[in-house]
Amino acid sequence: GDSVTQMEGPVTLSEEAFLTINCTYTATGYPSLFWYVQYPGEGLQLLLKATKADDKGSNKGFEATYRKETTSFHLEKGSVQVSDSAVYFCSTVGGSNYKLTFGKGTLLTVNP
Amino acid sequence: GAVVSQHPSRVICKSGTSVKIECRSLDFQATTMFWYRQFPKKSLMLMATSNEGSKATYEQGVEKDKFLINHASLTLSTLTVTSAHPEDSSFYICSARDLGIPYEQYFGPGTRLTVT
Repeated sequence: GDSVTQMEGPVTLSEEAFLTINCTYTATGYPSLFWYVQYPGEGLQLLLKATKADDKGSNKGFEATYRKETTSFHLEKGSVQVSDSAVYFCSTVGGSNYKLTFGKGTLLTVNP
Repeated sequence: GAVVSQHPSRVICKSGTSVKIECRSLDFQATTMFWYRQFPKKSLMLMATSNEGSKATYEQGVEKDKFLINHASLTLSTLTVTSAHPEDSSFYICSARDLGIPYEQYFGPGTRLTVT
């Protein structure tokens, strides 16, 4: 089945630092790829997505590019803010019921 | 658009009682809903996939008689935790798939269940 491996945290950065959270996947076919964000005590929110190779998803200053050759979908942001502190999940979707497969999540803490 | 609600957001119940959690898609029709369980500082664990009008498909290791799932309409799915025990305490999250965008799921805000 599909699997997702993402950088395990926690990751602690100062405000305005550069962020990279690595994510690689194994899947059959050409899955769609997602980054979800979970703020404390809340459900998941879709941060960005990419549905085919070389697509770049972007939102709120975050970006990730679907790299088929390296089966990766690394999340980046040039300048993080305290409000970006959350848990980030990389995921793929596949199967007849379009089940999501999640990575283990990366806790990001941004200090002022 | 694409809003999913859950009710209640928090519930405390006594051991041995049953608790029902509702998941609603507010502005779209969801032929498929998913129920997840999340332990503290852990990723989401898929419990079951619920298709409207049919029986839910449970993941391996999930007791279907303990976690009853009903998906009676295109906008509502319910999860009932029967004879709850303290080890059932967890954060339960539902998601819904829009018929028109099958590869994308929209998540509810979650329900924190505490069994005393």
